[in-house]
Amino acid sequence: DAKTTQPTSMDCAEGRAANLPCNHSTISGNEYVYWYRQIHSQGPQYIIHGLKNNETNEMASLIITEDRKSSTLILPHATLRDTAVYYCIVRGTNTGNQFYFGTGTSLTVIP
Amino acid sequence: GAVVSQHPSWVICKSGTSVKIECRSLDFQATTMFWYRQFPKQSLMLMATSNEGSKATYEQGVEKDKFLINHASLTLSTLTVTSAHPEDSSFYICSARGDIGNSPLHFGNGTRLTVT
Repeated sequence: DAKTTQPTSMDCAEGRAANLPCNHSTISGNEYVYWYRQIHSQGPQYIIHGLKNNETNEMASLIITEDRKSSTLILPHATLRDTAVYYCIVRGTNTGNQFYFGTGTSLTVIP
Repeated sequence: GAVVSQHPSWVICKSGTSVKIECRSLDFQATTMFWYRQFPKQSLMLMATSNEGSKATYEQGVEKDKFLINHASLTLSTLTVTSAHPEDSSFYICSARGDIGNSPLHFGNGTRLTVT
């Protein structure tokens, strides 16, 4: 599975959009981009995933570049409860492909 | 939908004893479940893949005789930490996914194991 690179930490003002980048320059054609977040001492929470088109759900939007080498998770109006570690994972669809977590981005939403 | 339940949420045990952690998919069937471990201030590390009706597949460096995995049904996988030692103290998290190729993983809320 392709490796991902994320900034170690980011801050965002409450009410503003939080834009979390992820680089996955070695992604291959059948690999999806998944985003999770983990609030302290809880299991990771699934946010969104996509292959090549931009995706939006009630939690966030996922923007994937045309060459698929990077993506951005957008939380449109960050709240204090969005403070968490955000993980970007790239995974293929074969049964043997696993979800391997990198170090993620620690997002702090500031009042 | 896609709820994964994990039990217990925390456990304290004495060194040398064994501890069993249960993971259930509540509203979907999971042919495959996954067990992760997380030490403080670190990311999640995949320990093993639990396959219904067959042997688990362990990641490199994970002792299969120490971390026994049983996946007896499509909704239940268990992880038993045998002869636990203080260094096994960690946050153990299970997950499951649907059978469609790009289905996301859904995670339980984790089990905090403390071995004294």
